[in-house]
Amino acid sequence: EDKVVQSPLSLVVHEGDTVTLNCSYEVTNFRSLLWYKQEKKAPTFLFMLTSSGIEKKSGRLSSILDKKELFSILNITATQTGDSAVYLCAVGVGGAQKLVFGQGTRLTINP
Amino acid sequence: EAGVAQSPRYKIIEKRQSVAFWCNPISGHATLYWYQQILGQGPKLLIQFQNNGVVDDSQLPKDRFSAERLKGVDSTLKIQPAKLEDSAVYLCASSLSTGGETQYFGPGTRLLVL
Repeated sequence: EDKVVQSPLSLVVHEGDTVTLNCSYEVTNFRSLLWYKQEKKAPTFLFMLTSSGIEKKSGRLSSILDKKELFSILNITATQTGDSAVYLCAVGVGGAQKLVFGQGTRLTINP
Repeated sequence: EAGVAQSPRYKIIEKRQSVAFWCNPISGHATLYWYQQILGQGPKLLIQFQNNGVVDDSQLPKDRFSAERLKGVDSTLKIQPAKLEDSAVYLCASSLSTGGETQYFGPGTRLLVL
């Protein structure tokens, strides 16, 4: 059975801190790994990763994939209260790119 | 560009009642997905359509859930009869195709079954 596991499940930090969120996976027929941010509504797309070792960056957020060790990390530097959300990791599997989601990491940024 | 639209946003029903959700994907997106997200968990795929055909419905509880996308654009998901454990957020997503395109999510319908 395809499985995606995120850690930690919950994280509370102070504004300005740097955080690292982890996602490990065991799937057959890996195609891609995606990160989404979910506030009180729809998940919004952050990154799609398909190649190992190539960092994707958007402002204070960055992510990298290790296909040998089967994990990805999402880094957020200089965190702000607006970064508070649930961060979801999903792996696309098979030719139809079915997404298998992890349980999410709830990140809380305190002022 | 308009996003994925869903309605209603909230629904409260009693167990054994029926309920239907509607989704209109982003214009031009051939692939449409319905997900169930139970509180504290990640979304779980229920069904995936490519145009008006079903690509994957392996996790759809077919004894009570049904979905259709008759004209290859908007879609409805129905639950009949509902159970307490169906309380969840039902998310619709769409993508250009199934070939590795990013999925974009709608705001979801929050269902509470009493």
